[in-house]
Amino acid sequence: GESVGLHLPTLSVQEGDNSIINCAYSNSASDYFIWYKQESGKGPQFIIDIRSNMDKRQGQRVTVLLNKTVKHLSLQIAATQPGDSAVYFCAENAGNMLTFGGGTRLMVKP
Amino acid sequence: EAGVAQSPRYKIIEKRQSVAFWCNPISGHATLYWYQQILGQGPKLLIQFQNNGVVDDSQLPKDRFSAERLKGVDSTLKIQPAKLEDSAVYLCASSLTFNEQFFGPGTRLTVL
Repeated sequence: GESVGLHLPTLSVQEGDNSIINCAYSNSASDYFIWYKQESGKGPQFIIDIRSNMDKRQGQRVTVLLNKTVKHLSLQIAATQPGDSAVYFCAENAGNMLTFGGGTRLMVKP
Repeated sequence: EAGVAQSPRYKIIEKRQSVAFWCNPISGHATLYWYQQILGQGPKLLIQFQNNGVVDDSQLPKDRFSAERLKGVDSTLKIQPAKLEDSAVYLCASSLTFNEQFFGPGTRLTVL
C-alpha cells in the first residue's frame, strides 16, 4: 500500500518495550480528544478517546494522558508489538468538528 | 459488520479534468464526513452531512469541490476542475454519534 506520510516524526522502539507518542493541541476550547492509528493504505482507525474532564483513560495495552494546562496529549502503548507499527494521529474536537494533528510514525524493531 | 466502502481506490487525472469519488457509509450511520489527507499530514475535514443535510462545509473549496448525499445514504464528492494541489487521499467516514467515526480506505488521487 502507499505510504501515509514521508516526512513525519518517527519513533523507533524495540518489540516488547513501551511506546509514548506525544501531541500538542491548539484549541483550549476542545472538549474531546481521540487517538487514531493509520496503517499504510488504510483509513484511520479509532484507538482510544478522552474527555476534557478527565486526565487519564486506560484501554487494552493503551493509555491516554491529557494535560490541559499545557495542552498536551500522550498515547502510551505497553509491550509494543510489530502490529503496532503505523502512523498515529491525535485529534481534538471543538464545536463538533475534529481537527487532526500532524501524526507520528511508530516503527517497531523485532 | 461491513465497513465504510469507497471507490475508486486510485485515480490518476490531468489538471483541469473532473473526478468523482463515491462513499457508502456503514448501514444506519446518519452522519457522513469527507476528509482530504495530503501526504504527510493529518486528515482535514471538507464537509459533514447529517442524513442528507450539510452540517459543516466551511473548509470545502466551493469553487471547485462539491458533494451531495441525496438520499441520506451514499455520498459523492466531485472536483471540477482539478488542480495539482488536489493530489491527496480522500477519506470518507461515518458515525452513529459524533464521537466515534469509522473511516473507509480512502481514494488516492494523483493530479498530473
